[in-house]
Amino acid sequence: NAGVTQTPKFQVLKTGQSMTLQCAQDMNHNSMYWYRQDPGMGLRLIYYSASEGTTDKGEVPNGYNVSRLNKREFSLRLESAAPSQTSVYFCASREGGRDEQYFGPGTRLTVT
Amino acid sequence: QKEVEQNSGPLSVPEGAIASLNCTYSDRGSQSFFWYRQYSGKSPELIMFIYSNGDKEDGRFTAQLNKASQYVSLLIRDSQPSDSATYLCAVKAAGNTPLVFGKGTRLSVIA
Repeated sequence: NAGVTQTPKFQVLKTGQSMTLQCAQDMNHNSMYWYRQDPGMGLRLIYYSASEGTTDKGEVPNGYNVSRLNKREFSLRLESAAPSQTSVYFCASREGGRDEQYFGPGTRLTVT
Repeated sequence: QKEVEQNSGPLSVPEGAIASLNCTYSDRGSQSFFWYRQYSGKSPELIMFIYSNGDKEDGRFTAQLNKASQYVSLLIRDSQPSDSATYLCAVKAAGNTPLVFGKGTRLSVIA
């Protein structure tokens, strides 16, 4: 059981470039989440998917799009990266009927 | 706006002492409460969860919940230098709602 996996681990982008962060879980969890974490700001929810086929905005969705590709995979896309999107991005998942949430190892993104 | 408040710290305790971490929340509809530990450069790791008023013990960790006062705490007994980390409190309302996180308390255990 790998749990929640994220790729890539590190990425450097130039302003205006696009990229997709990948997240997959092998725990058969229904819900998946994308967070960003910045110093002094804590974890902030970007988007989440309560179940396959649904997505909802979180606290800071601007500049991002998501796709729940199937039950296992939930991707986060930056269409035109900005320096303000420099952050550590975490994916998490939760089993249906339970409230505990489990995190992936994170992607450290720098936009120059 | 649902809020979860934590003292940012750092909270410094000597090795072997009890570390007490506190968290308050604003949403009276909150039903599930979590403590995550996050080492520097790593992802948050779930260490405790509690759903009912009172205490829940797991090894050296005890989570305490008081819904009337809207606070949840984490006690770490016999603190070790390896407990030095940031501890995140998270709260969840009923249904398919996401967790709301506090900004975390940094704990430093001094050998």
